Amino acid sequence: QVQLVQSGAEVKEPGASVKVPCKASGYTFTDYYLHWIRQAPGEGLEWVGWINPKNGGTNYAQNFQGRVSMTRDTSSSTAYLELSGLRSDDTAIYYCARDSFKAAVTLIVPERFDPWGQGTLVTVSS
Amino acid sequence: DIQMAQSPSSLSASVGDRVTITCRASQNIRTYLNWYQQKPGKAPKLLVYAASTLQSGVPSGFSGGGSGTDFTLTIRSLQPEDFATYYCQQSYSTPPTFGGGTKVEIK
Repeated sequence: QVQLVQSGAEVKEPGASVKVPCKASGYTFTDYYLHWIRQAPGEGLEWVGWINPKNGGTNYAQNFQGRVSMTRDTSSSTAYLELSGLRSDDTAIYYCARDSFKAAVTLIVPERFDPWGQGTLVTVSS
Repeated sequence: DIQMAQSPSSLSASVGDRVTITCRASQNIRTYLNWYQQKPGKAPKLLVYAASTLQSGVPSGFSGGGSGTDFTLTIRSLQPEDFATYYCQQSYSTPPTFGGGTKVEIK
């Protein structure tokens, strides 16, 4: 079955960077867009951006411009989210989620997120 | 960005109750609206897309409706496994945005 598996929790100091992996299985990795969405403790959901695993194209939310980088390794079917200049308000669970939109076509607006990875808790604390 | 407002933010209900959650968009989004269910400690799960299409495997007791700016998610007869937080999300324009969530608790 289609599955996205994420790594365990990370603890980082303010100003550091974190790189979170998301390994896909059960489908052809390069066929669908992947998104990153975060959820601060007890809060709602915030879209971070997307990556096209086929060509590496990305689109980032305005709030994260300049601090975020999304990459992928097609040989291991793994997408990565890297966030730099970490602040305490970056403490959140970071989810990867697959779009239903095919990567062969340019994505203008995400369609829907399904499935989701189990999430990676990133804690920023000194 | 399109703002999504859900109401109520929480509700208490009993098993067997009919429950309706409302989501309002800040502008016309036609039927570009998805609903997710999130249980404690778990990732969100897609329930309904395009306002009223049930995702494969989702029980038929769930239904979605609405268009334009006003949408609903209805649970026909609340089951013990339905106690969770529900989020709406617009897929009309980028960035995709979510409602603040509705927590459905046991009365």
